[in-house]
Amino acid sequence: QKEVEQNSGPLSVPEGAIASLNCTYSDRGSQSFFWYRQYSGKSPELIMSIYSNGDKEDGRFTAQLNKASQYVSLLIRDSQPSDSATYLCAVNIGSGNTGKLIFGQGTTLQVKP
Amino acid sequence: DADVTQTPRNRITKTGKRIMLECSQTKGHDRMYWYRQDPGLGLRLIYYSFDVKDINKGEISDGYSVSRQAQAKFSLSLESAIPNQTALYFCATSVKTKAYNEQFFGPGTRLTVL
Repeated sequence: QKEVEQNSGPLSVPEGAIASLNCTYSDRGSQSFFWYRQYSGKSPELIMSIYSNGDKEDGRFTAQLNKASQYVSLLIRDSQPSDSATYLCAVNIGSGNTGKLIFGQGTTLQVKP
Repeated sequence: DADVTQTPRNRITKTGKRIMLECSQTKGHDRMYWYRQDPGLGLRLIYYSFDVKDINKGEISDGYSVSRQAQAKFSLSLESAIPNQTALYFCATSVKTKAYNEQFFGPGTRLTVL
C-alpha cells in the first residue's frame, strides 16, 4: 500500500514566524509532489509543485524535496493568520507522470496573531 | 475564467436512493477524477478518467459508477446510497505536462445519506 504520512497537528505558530510542514512517502518511484491548502469546508487549492531534489521557492512558500530520504516539506515564511488552514501533501504514485495522486491526511496549521 | 464546477453543492438523500453528482470543466483538461473526503481519512480516489474512452477504478470504487459524457463532463453515480457514503465529494481535473500532473479541484458536493 502506497502511503503518504503527515503529522495531523495542530501546528501552532505565532504571526510572523516560519511554519514548517513535513511529509514522508513510501513509494520510491514517485516523481512529483504537491502541496495543497484547504480551508475548512472548501476545496483543496494547489500552492506548490516540486519534482527535483532541493528547494523551490514561490513568494512566502518554499517546498523542499529529498528523494533519498523520501521526504518533502513546506516552509511558510512570515506566517499570517490567513495561512491558518489544513495543508495536504500529495504524491504522484509510480514511476513517471502517472496522474494518480495519494494524499496525506493533512496538517492543520494555526497562526496566532 | 477556466473553472471546475460541481452540481449539486449540497444534497441530502435517503438510503437506497440513486444519486448522480455532476462535474463540468472549462479548463480544457483531458484528465478528470472523483475523490471523497472523510474526517480523519483524507482524500481518497474513487474513479479517474484520462480521456472519454479511458475510465479506471480508484482506491474505493465499490458502490460507485461513473460516466464520461464528454471531455468536459464526468459524472459520479451512487446506485443505491448508503449512510457510510456520507462525505464531501470533489471532482478534479489535470493535464499531463512533461514534469507534472497538477490536479485542480472543484468546489465540492456535500452529500448526506440518511
